[in-house]
Amino acid sequence: QVQLQESGPGLVKPSQTLSLTCTVSGGSISSGIYYWSWIRQHPGKGLEWIGYIYYSGSTYYNPSLKSRVTISVDTPKNQFSLKLSSVTAADTAVYYCARVVGRYYFDYWGQGTLVTVSS
Amino acid sequence: SSELTQDPAVSVALGQTVGITCQGDSLRNYFATWYQHKPGQAPVLVIFGKNSRPSGIPDRFSGSNSGNTASLTITGAQAEDEADYYCNSRDSTGDRLVFGGGTKLTVL
Repeated sequence: QVQLQESGPGLVKPSQTLSLTCTVSGGSISSGIYYWSWIRQHPGKGLEWIGYIYYSGSTYYNPSLKSRVTISVDTPKNQFSLKLSSVTAADTAVYYCARVVGRYYFDYWGQGTLVTVSS
Repeated sequence: SSELTQDPAVSVALGQTVGITCQGDSLRNYFATWYQHKPGQAPVLVIFGKNSRPSGIPDRFSGSNSGNTASLTITGAQAEDEADYYCNSRDSTGDRLVFGGGTKLTVL
């Protein structure tokens, strides 16, 4: 059974960079079958796709966030990471990592981690 | 605003059938995928493709597509089905993954 777990600071100051890591267990990021994604949910709102990455490092980002987002992969550690720069209060959200099938849908998700942007 | 539109809330009596819809132009070209999301938990995939269920998802969950509308049907809703349900697909350009705004299902 594949499991994903997000980790990182729960509080980030405005204008700084949000950094999160997703650790994958029960399956290899390098299998080449799946993509690996970040999704967020603003408080009381719906889900927003941030972007995804292939084990080779190829990335696809939501155009609305592309200028501030970097997703990277660490295959030896079976992890992938999210960096979101120049954050504001509008970036306060629960951030989820998930496995992507066919660059299309998400079959396994992490529990999510709340990141608050505040001074 | 979301490119996929869902009703914000739907209710159903215990044991009855309920449909949750998702509308968007991209659904003319792409299937919708459906997720169940309970507070404090990870979202769970319930329907993908034309009408496929992952292992462990009860067969009371089914999906269908017609034109620009996708539907998730729960036949014989149970108390544990009370949750938020989200659809997702690609946007009209095919470049971006998008979600509907979510539907809060209440089982009465």
